[in-house]
Amino acid sequence: SQTIHQWPATLVQPVGSPLSLECTVEGTSNPNLYWYRQAAGRGLQLLFYSVGIGQISSEVPQNLSASRPQDRQFILSSKKLLLSDSGFYLCAWCPTSGRAGELFFGEGSRLTVL
Amino acid sequence: GQQVMQIPQYQHVQEGEDFTTYCNSSTTLSNIQWYKQRPGGHPVFLIQLVKSGEVKKQKRLTFQFGEAKKNSSLHITATQTTDVGTYFCAGQGGSEKLVFGKGTKLTVNP
Repeated sequence: SQTIHQWPATLVQPVGSPLSLECTVEGTSNPNLYWYRQAAGRGLQLLFYSVGIGQISSEVPQNLSASRPQDRQFILSSKKLLLSDSGFYLCAWCPTSGRAGELFFGEGSRLTVL
Repeated sequence: GQQVMQIPQYQHVQEGEDFTTYCNSSTTLSNIQWYKQRPGGHPVFLIQLVKSGEVKKQKRLTFQFGEAKKNSSLHITATQTTDVGTYFCAGQGGSEKLVFGKGTKLTVNP
């Protein structure tokens, strides 16, 4: 069966510090991968998505970046965090064939920037 | 770009009352999906609608996809306290992007 792991679950970072959130998927190959942010417990904002290794599409201009160094690994990074980067970050995957489109979410990473 | 609007933002009901949330897309969709997020949790997939005019039921939940494939609704009959959470619709156009609505937060008073 497929599983998705996301870490860390919680982190508190000072303004200006770097960020690295990691997400890995197991039990499948060539998934579509997504990073969403949820601010103030509300809507889900699509940040990045990837259809393959090294292929990243950015949806919102910001100081965040994403990378996909391996087929089932998706990383969200920042060189210098802003206060506005606080939120709940969710990684998700979906298969590229069959029931494509249904997203499976990780448990999320709650980031507080102070 | 593609936008998905969802109303209402909040809904408070007494246990046993019905609940409906509505979703509208600015563009025609290839499919629409519904997710539920419990407080403190992550979104969990409920259902996907693909065909124009499609209606699907899951126990007390009824999902509809409009004829023009631009709107959808989720109706819960006789709500229970276990229904609390935020319900999101998410629309997919012609790409791999899935755009979420802002969600409807449902609270149920026992």
